[in-house]
Amino acid sequence: EVQLVQSGADVKQPGYSLKISCKGSGYSFTTCWIGWVRQMPGKGLEWMGSVFPGDGETKYSPSFQGQVTISADKSTSTAYLQWSSLKASDIAMYYCARQCGDPYYFDYWGQGTLVTVSS
Amino acid sequence: DIQMTQSPSALSASVGDRVTFTCRASQTINTWLAWYQQKPGKAPNVLIYQASSLESGVPSRFSGSGSGTEFTLTINSLQPDDFATYYCQQYNTYPYTFGQGTKLEIK
Repeated sequence: EVQLVQSGADVKQPGYSLKISCKGSGYSFTTCWIGWVRQMPGKGLEWMGSVFPGDGETKYSPSFQGQVTISADKSTSTAYLQWSSLKASDIAMYYCARQCGDPYYFDYWGQGTLVTVSS
Repeated sequence: DIQMTQSPSALSASVGDRVTFTCRASQTINTWLAWYQQKPGKAPNVLIYQASSLESGVPSRFSGSGSGTEFTLTINSLQPDDFATYYCQQYNTYPYTFGQGTKLEIK
């Protein structure tokens, strides 16, 4: 069974760094892209970027380029989304999702990680 | 970026109704379009890919059509479990983009 299990909710102060994770299982982790999707409170879905764990290639939305870093560790079948300096505007639910091809849709999703930024 | 516009933004319907949602792309995306269903507090779930292909395990009352810039999602004989928000997404060109969503509510 394909599963993407994300790290738990986190609360950080503005300016702090954060790295959230998404662990894949039930398939060959290095053969499919992992994308990250933001959903701000009460809003729609925004694709942030994707990583191909097989070789580390990344693609970013221009809206998020330079704001976050997406990476993957194939030895642990885990993808990451990180911020170096959080802002209040980063408050959102973040989902990871699998895409087995390029181009491809998101066929499996993680359960989401809620990031709260508050002083 | 390719803009995806969904209509209507919200729709009220009754159990047993047939409903249709529309998604328009700002430029051609061939058939590289997916539809997702999202319930409150849950991750999205894919219903349709490649504009008209039904994802495995999705009930056959869901169907999709279209190509180029105009797409539709139809739900035949609405069930109580179908009341949710629906998003279209283009995966023809990076950056991938989603429509703003259509919220389907019980009348």
